[in-house]
Amino acid sequence: AQSVTQLGSHVSVSEGALVLLRCNYSSSVPPYLFWYVQYPNQGLQLLLKYTTGATLVKGINGFEAEFKKSETSFHLTKPSAHMSDAAEYFCAVSPSNDYKLSFGAGTTVTVRA
Amino acid sequence: DGGITQSPKYLFRKEGQNVTLSCEQNLNHDAMYWYRQDPGQGLRLIYYSQIVNDFQKGDIAEGYSVSREKKESFPLTVTSAQKNPTAFYLCASTKQGLAGDTQYFGPGTRLTVL
Repeated sequence: AQSVTQLGSHVSVSEGALVLLRCNYSSSVPPYLFWYVQYPNQGLQLLLKYTTGATLVKGINGFEAEFKKSETSFHLTKPSAHMSDAAEYFCAVSPSNDYKLSFGAGTTVTVRA
Repeated sequence: DGGITQSPKYLFRKEGQNVTLSCEQNLNHDAMYWYRQDPGQGLRLIYYSQIVNDFQKGDIAEGYSVSREKKESFPLTVTSAQKNPTAFYLCASTKQGLAGDTQYFGPGTRLTVL
């Protein structure tokens, strides 16, 4: 079985500041890891994913995440926040032998001018 | 443009009524999924289908039913047996339903029970 914990349901950052969203997972087999973004009343859009290979993954809109097996983490970062980054972000995990995704509870990001 | 469409965007239902939410994709994807989203709880899987005429229950299937008669379509019926149906419902699809496949999401249907 797998599970996902996102630390902090709300994060507030100033425009231009670092965005850091934390995600820890548990999985009985090697995981595949995903970050999705959701704007109000819309569906989810993939930001990035890790399956195999390089542990630092770059995604859309300047986001990146690093898979750290020893820490069972997959934190999402962006060096400089933009007003358009205000949204809800979901971390998700699937075991490498199953297609079913388990989602975290989400983190809402607010960007202050 | 390829994508997933869901209709209606907003749906109001009286208690005791069944309602059907539409999900259509033109991505030529084999697998389709239905999720329920409640505030602060992330997404929970209701049903999924990896191939036409076959589907499996997810984690919270009670009070819901689905059909998969065509590759492009995966409608969800919320029955009167679902005790708390007010939620945001999301449909998704993947190319083959394999581990690691990216899930593509529709824009969602917000269901409110009056």
